[in-house]
Amino acid sequence: AQSVTQLGSHVSVSEGALVLLRCNYSSSVPPYLFWYVQYPNQGLQLLLKYTSAATLVKGINGFEAEFKKSETSFHLTKPSAHMSDAAEYFCAVSDPRNNDMRFGAGTRLTVKP
Amino acid sequence: DAGVTQSPTHLIKTRGQQVTLRCSPKSGHDTVSWYQQALGQGPQFIFQYYEEEERQRGNFPDRFSGHQFPNYSSELNVNALLLGDSALYLCASSFFLDRDDSYTFGSGTRLTVV
Repeated sequence: AQSVTQLGSHVSVSEGALVLLRCNYSSSVPPYLFWYVQYPNQGLQLLLKYTSAATLVKGINGFEAEFKKSETSFHLTKPSAHMSDAAEYFCAVSDPRNNDMRFGAGTRLTVKP
Repeated sequence: DAGVTQSPTHLIKTRGQQVTLRCSPKSGHDTVSWYQQALGQGPQFIFQYYEEEERQRGNFPDRFSGHQFPNYSSELNVNALLLGDSALYLCASSFFLDRDDSYTFGSGTRLTVV
């Protein structure tokens, strides 16, 4: 079965600084990969997804992620953090054969003024 | 176009009771997946329903059961509630044949067991 490891349960950056949230995956087949964001007391909102097309994926709100097969990674980045980016971020891996999606434990992003 | 609708939004139950949570998928979606998200944790996969059958199941006991109706809506039932069942329960819908599509999530049902 596939799985995801998110390195760092809490990341704190200053407003305007680079955001880097780390995600490594394990999968027995070429995976689909996703990043979701969750604001307090809400469901999950899709930021971006990789489904075997371009390895550099651009998402909403200026976020992007790069699929690196050799490193089994799918790290999320944003060049300049905004206060509104403060939230919980989840990396997820899906098995394309059965649409079975599994999530990491999440990374809480704090943005300091 | 309505997204995923979950009901109720909050509920409080007593240990040992039974609870039913409901989910209406996004229009055009035919697959429903349920997740349990404990406080401060990532969503844990419970099970997935397609064509009114349980297709995948995570590592949850038989106290957790579900159902999917012909209109694709779904229910999650939990029997003999434990304090540890307190969590946010998320429903996600998708289109089974569109494997590179992402899930659409509802806002969840917050279950508190006392």
